[in-house]
Amino acid sequence: SQKIEQNSEALNIQEGKTATLTCNYTNYSPAYLQWYRQDPGRGPVFLLLIRENEKEKRKERLKVTFDTTLKQSLFHITASQPADSATYLCALSGGYNKLIFGAGTRLAVHP
Amino acid sequence: EAGVAQSPRYKIIEKRQSVAFWCNPISGHATLYWYQQILGQGPKLLIQFQNNGVVDDSQLPKDRFSAERLKGVDSTLKIQPAKLEDSAVYLCASSLLVPGTAGNTIYFGEGSWLTVV
Repeated sequence: SQKIEQNSEALNIQEGKTATLTCNYTNYSPAYLQWYRQDPGRGPVFLLLIRENEKEKRKERLKVTFDTTLKQSLFHITASQPADSATYLCALSGGYNKLIFGAGTRLAVHP
Repeated sequence: EAGVAQSPRYKIIEKRQSVAFWCNPISGHATLYWYQQILGQGPKLLIQFQNNGVVDDSQLPKDRFSAERLKGVDSTLKIQPAKLEDSAVYLCASSLLVPGTAGNTIYFGEGSWLTVV
């Protein structure tokens, strides 16, 4: 069956370091992959989209990679700040603009 | 630009009671989604509308959940009768689906928090 896996354990890092979050998937060939940020008590907010024919995408301090051979996406936040603390969700296309979400990884950036 | 509006924000009901959630998507967005998010999990798609037609409701428990999107704008999600395991956040989202364009951004509302006791 189709599966999307994100690290269930929280990632704790020091301010200024680079945070790297992982999204792995199986039995799946998504046309694109998206990353969302979710703060407690709020709905997810779109961050970045990367298509299957793209290796890397950047936006300010964010970088996403997409390896369709490894079936993996990495999400990087450089020069991390306490305000980056949130849960980050990976979502894969499931056809007709349908998105299937992973469980998310909680990031805590400490001053 | 106004975002996706949802109400009520919070609801507590007893099991076997009914509840309804309302959603008003971003103006002009043809696609509307209802997701269920249980604490500690990612959002799970319940139903997807394209205008006022259903595109995908494969994960909607149809014996107790129903949804409609009248006139292709607002939508209502109903649960009747509710079970304890329905306790979750119900997220409404919308997107501007452009035919032939992959990867439209999905905009979420703040969610309706349901507790079934």
